[in-house]
Amino acid sequence: AQTVTQSQPEMSVQEAETVTLSCTYDTSESNYYLFWYKQPPSRQMILVIRQEAYKQQNATENRFSVNFQKAAKSFSLKISDSQLGDTAMYFCAFMKKERFFNQGGSEKLVFGKGTKLTVNP
Amino acid sequence: ETGVTQTPRHLVMGMTNKKSLKCEQHLGHNAMYWYKQSAKKPLELMFVYSLEERVENNSVPSRFSPECPNSSHLFLHLHTLQPEDSALYLCASSQATSGIYNEQFFGPGTRLTVL
Repeated sequence: AQTVTQSQPEMSVQEAETVTLSCTYDTSESNYYLFWYKQPPSRQMILVIRQEAYKQQNATENRFSVNFQKAAKSFSLKISDSQLGDTAMYFCAFMKKERFFNQGGSEKLVFGKGTKLTVNP
Repeated sequence: ETGVTQTPRHLVMGMTNKKSLKCEQHLGHNAMYWYKQSAKKPLELMFVYSLEERVENNSVPSRFSPECPNSSHLFLHLHTLQPEDSALYLCASSQATSGIYNEQFFGPGTRLTVL
């Protein structure tokens, strides 16, 4: 079974600075996806960024980027130029590609416990 | 309405009550999910429906009963719950397509308190 570990329950950063959130995972699979989700106080879970395991290039989305180290099974999220609106819970998640639905494919997500990020003015 | 909506947003119930949570997706998706989010625990997948057929029941107690009457609606029927069932219940939807990853879109959740 896959597991996802986020070792930092809480973090804080000053506005405009950079912060890195850590995530490690355990799997024997070679074909999978990794995600970072954001859950602000409104509780709506929002996808921030995703990484496909077979791609060596680290994914980036505007101020968000990842450091994907496949051999080390590490997937950290870097937030640059932090903004007050970045205050939220951040969840790392894993998805194994497997035949799941009748049409094939799978979206079965395994989540970490989350890191609470506070951006201070 | 857009995206994934859930009602009610908050629910308080006694252990002997029967209630239902409702989820509706306005995205034209064909797969829907129920997750449980408890304090200090990872999100747990409870149920998955594809084309209104249940394809996953993640060892959830029978006091939780899902229903998917069509591809846009998903219900979670609750009866004789325990205080430890208090949690945030999240609904999600996606377009399940063979061999292609499709993002799950989440609703805002129902905060359930069992007294």
